[in-house]
Order: sequence, then structure tokens, then C-alpha cells
Amino acid sequence: GAVVSQHPSRVICKSGTSVKIECRSLDFQATTMFWYRQFPKQSLMLMATSNEGSKATYEQGVEKDKFLINHASLTLSTLTVTSAHPEDSSFYICSAILMSGLAPDTQYFGPGTRLTVL
Amino acid sequence: QQQVKQSPQSLIVQKGGISIINCAYENTAFDYFPWYQQFPGKGPALLIAIRPDVSEKKEGRFTISFNKSAKQFSLHIMDSQPGDSATYFCAAETGANNLFFGTGTRLTVIP
Repeated sequence: GAVVSQHPSRVICKSGTSVKIECRSLDFQATTMFWYRQFPKQSLMLMATSNEGSKATYEQGVEKDKFLINHASLTLSTLTVTSAHPEDSSFYICSAILMSGLAPDTQYFGPGTRLTVL
Repeated sequence: QQQVKQSPQSLIVQKGGISIINCAYENTAFDYFPWYQQFPGKGPALLIAIRPDVSEKKEGRFTISFNKSAKQFSLHIMDSQPGDSATYFCAAETGANNLFFGTGTRLTVIP
């Protein structure tokens, strides 16, 4: 249980285009999902917290107009990188919190999406 | 400011040896301390976690030792195997689900 998927796993796009990344909780409902980015050999940096049915909360320094987050249902959150540039190339990882009373504080992570902007 | 400090940055251990990774924190509001294992090109996977009311938790070859007074916790991997080679992240969380990661330890287990 507690599986989180991401799609696509890899994407290569041209500079100036927009890319959408999907994050799904496959076997549980998640009112809260998180989006992280990770540069090579570095730790995960929280970008934003996504709550179902409401606006995402962005971390300081993260441009909300560039990284659009939509949490339309209890099992799906999307991150759209708008007008992507080479410096946006990174590994994007989502996570979701399991709502059951067994492990309410545990974030389960997706497999990540490698974005390369040419 | 790094909320959770992790060391060492990299670790090389012989097969069968014990791998030890240490973490420290300052914020006493943290109430949940998970460890994540990440293989290259994959997302982090929850390995083991502990709450501050417990001093030790063991799951198979993995043990967390927790010292509340010193605000330190560590991961011990017994009988380390080449398949354990990965990057390990400690983390700390407040009740509001704010998860703070350590900087990561790249573990290499030599056959």
C-alpha cells in the first residue's frame, strides 16, 4: 500500500515550452501532497504544499506563476513548469500523506520526474 | 539554515560491516524522525522512523538510535550488503507535516 506514481518519468523539452507532471496516490486518498526538486547529489528542496481543493502554498523563493500546482482530486496533483528554461532542469519529486490513522505523519514519495530543458 | 545536520557526506563500508549515519537537530518541536533510502534516479523510500518517546527502534538490519537530550539520532545498518549502496536521508518533522531533510549520506558497500 501507500504507492505514489508520477508521470512522466522523464521529459525533455525545448526552452520556452510548458511541461506538466502528474502525481497520483494509487491506493489511498491524500488531502495533502508536496512537490520537491532535487539537484544532483543534493538533498530534496520543498517547493510547495498542495492541498486538495485549495491554492498551493509555495516556499520562499519559488515562483508560483512559473510552477503552477493544481490538486483537483484526493488522488491527483499536477505541477506545470511554465516557459521552462535550462535552469529548470532538475529531478522533481512529489509526495503524499497517507490519511489513515496508522501513519498520519508519513510522506510517501513518488519515483520522480527527470526534466531536461534544452 | 539547515534544520537537520547529517554526517558523514559519504561512507564506504565493507560487506558485512556496520554502517552508521548520524543526524542532529535543534528544533525541539520536531516529533517524528524518518529515514529515507534513495537509489539513483528514484524517489526516496521510507526506510524506518521513530518518535521521540522511544530511544531505539529496530527493523531487520536497520536500527534507529535516538538521544532526545542530545537532540541526535542515528541509523545503524548491520551486516551491510552491496544492495544497501544508496543515498540515505534523515529527516525531522513537526506535527504540521513540515518535513526537513538532512543533506544526505552516500553509502557504498564494497563486496
